Amino acid sequence: DVKVTQSSRYLVKRTGEKVFLECVQDMDHENMFWYRQDPGLGLRLIYFSYDVKMKEKGDIPEGYSVSREKKERFSLILESASTNQTSMYLCASSAPGQGNYGYTFGSGTRLTVV
Amino acid sequence: GQQVMQIPQYQHVQEGEDFTTYCNSSTTLSNIQWYKQRPGGHPVFLIQLVKSGEVKKQKRLTFQFGEAKKNSSLHITATQTTDVGTYFCAGPGWGYQKVTFGTGTKLQVIP
Repeated sequence: DVKVTQSSRYLVKRTGEKVFLECVQDMDHENMFWYRQDPGLGLRLIYFSYDVKMKEKGDIPEGYSVSREKKERFSLILESASTNQTSMYLCASSAPGQGNYGYTFGSGTRLTVV
Repeated sequence: GQQVMQIPQYQHVQEGEDFTTYCNSSTTLSNIQWYKQRPGGHPVFLIQLVKSGEVKKQKRLTFQFGEAKKNSSLHITATQTTDVGTYFCAGPGWGYQKVTFGTGTKLQVIP
């Protein structure tokens, strides 16, 4: 089974800190994604990547950046954390065309910015 | 951009009752996916529908893709407490490689 691992389950950071959220997948998937999930707003795409060193903005990229130096790792960076970035962050991966397997999500990182 | 709306937002049912959630897209979809997220968990892929009018079943779950490929539904027969969670539909967006998730339907099953 594909496994997507997010480095932290819970994280508390201070306003203005630079925050790194790490995601690693073990099935050689080309595509990787970062979503945030907030009550009543569903899953919103922040950034995605379909190849090493490639990145594309999603629907809400402001205040975030990403890094994909290796195929298996996709990092989300909050340049200067703010309280409105308190959220659940979900990483996902998929193979091209997705086939019948869809996205595989990590367990999520619940980030609180104080 | 593409919008994928789901209704209802919440649904409470008695155990044993049926449940249906509907997904509507503003554009024609090449395929649609469904996911389930248990409370405190992460979304888990359930199924993908590709063909116009397609119907697929997984035990008590029936998934349909509309003839015009702009809507879809998930029907659960005789709900059980294990069905509790939020159900999301998702349709492909730009470049096919990413999807847009619906707003989700949160299902509560009362024992």
